[in-house]
Amino acid sequence: DARVTQTPRHKVTEMGQEVTMRCQPILGHNTVFWYRQTMMQGLELLAYFRNRAPLDDSGMPKDRFSAEMPDATLATLKIQPSEPRDSAVYFCASGLSRGSGANVLTFGAGSRLTVL
Amino acid sequence: AQKVTQAQTEISVVEKEDVTLDCVYETRDTTYYLFWYKQPPSGELVFLIRRNSFDEQNEISGRYSWNFQKSTSSFNFTITASQVVDSAVYFCALLKETSGSRLTFGEGTQLTVNP
Repeated sequence: DARVTQTPRHKVTEMGQEVTMRCQPILGHNTVFWYRQTMMQGLELLAYFRNRAPLDDSGMPKDRFSAEMPDATLATLKIQPSEPRDSAVYFCASGLSRGSGANVLTFGAGSRLTVL
Repeated sequence: AQKVTQAQTEISVVEKEDVTLDCVYETRDTTYYLFWYKQPPSGELVFLIRRNSFDEQNEISGRYSWNFQKSTSSFNFTITASQVVDSAVYFCALLKETSGSRLTFGEGTQLTVNP
């Protein structure tokens, strides 16, 4: 089965450090999403790309978070500087915007971030 | 605004019992999609089903069945003869056609099936 690959799976860092999470979407998918999951807030949408173009990043704290898609096989989510409140599981998901499988997202296994 | 409510935070059943997970949604759109995802202890969200707002037929897939009722804005999920492997967090989600593929998730229901 095709999978969305996320790295790292786990990351522990200290407050103020830069964190970069990477995602390889499924080949052929043209939409990529970043979600954050916490106990308090549940699943929150951080950013959304279609055909590598950012369409919505309204859920991201703009001062410290940035999301990019340098190419169709790589999406990145960067936090600089990181803060303890950023501790969460970050999910990448990919999908198709058209066709019979449209809007069905395949999620990666997540990157669990702990900021001390 | 759109909203998904899963009122049951946690459910605990004994194996072989049937269990229904409730999902109520709010949207003003006439065209939308409803989803269920499963998040097992491994953490990865797994797609279970997608329904569009024009198809109110109930669906059955093995031990899983879904009841979509627009009159009550509900999309409930029933597991028949539950098994320990069904233990997971289950999320209901809503997608408006006009939202550009952005899913709105409910809070999730933690299902524990005890042997």
